[in-house]
Amino acid sequence: NAGVTQTPKFQVLKTGQSMTLQCAQDMNHNSMYWYRQDPGMGLRLIYYSASEGTTDKGEVPNGYNVSRLNKREFSLRLESAAPSQTSVYFCASSEAFGTGTEKLFFGSGTQLSVL
Amino acid sequence: QKEVEQNSGPLSVPEGAIASLNCTYSDRVSQSFFWYRQYSGKSPELIMSIYSNGDKEDGRFTAQLNKASQYVSLLIRDSQPSDSATYLCAVKVRHGQNFVFGPGTRLSVLP
Repeated sequence: NAGVTQTPKFQVLKTGQSMTLQCAQDMNHNSMYWYRQDPGMGLRLIYYSASEGTTDKGEVPNGYNVSRLNKREFSLRLESAAPSQTSVYFCASSEAFGTGTEKLFFGSGTQLSVL
Repeated sequence: QKEVEQNSGPLSVPEGAIASLNCTYSDRVSQSFFWYRQYSGKSPELIMSIYSNGDKEDGRFTAQLNKASQYVSLLIRDSQPSDSATYLCAVKVRHGQNFVFGPGTRLSVLP
């Protein structure tokens, strides 16, 4: 099984450019998430989708938009990239949202640099 | 104030020793606790979850939870060089949407 697949793995943008990070999972999970990871700050939630058709803001949503295209796919869009968005981005999925026992399965990550 | 705190390390232990990783959290209503392992340049991987006070063992790993002290730890017995990684503590409120992650502790197991 592929699990959670993210593309691209690396990306360099110039300030003001836009891009979309793609994520797909084949585990039939209802919930999907986008996190960013910065040195010394742990993983921080950008947006999540508890189930198909719903999306909600996380801890650091400013500058990002998301689309839950179907149950499998959840994309993250940067409309106008800024250097502060230089980070490693992880997509994750889980089942049993809101039960407290859900476990996150992560994609391989996207290393994004904004110059 | 950080919600989940971990010693950033690096924590160095010799091969075969017990590695002890610690995590404290500030939200008293936290219900679920997780340890993820992250190798350099890779994604986090769940290794342990614990929901009630006490110890939970899985192979060489033991998670310990003390909700009164707001403290969760991970013990790795018979540490191997392959255990060298960053260990992330994550905490969740039962009906909340967010896992709150600590900054991670870097573990180095020396041959």
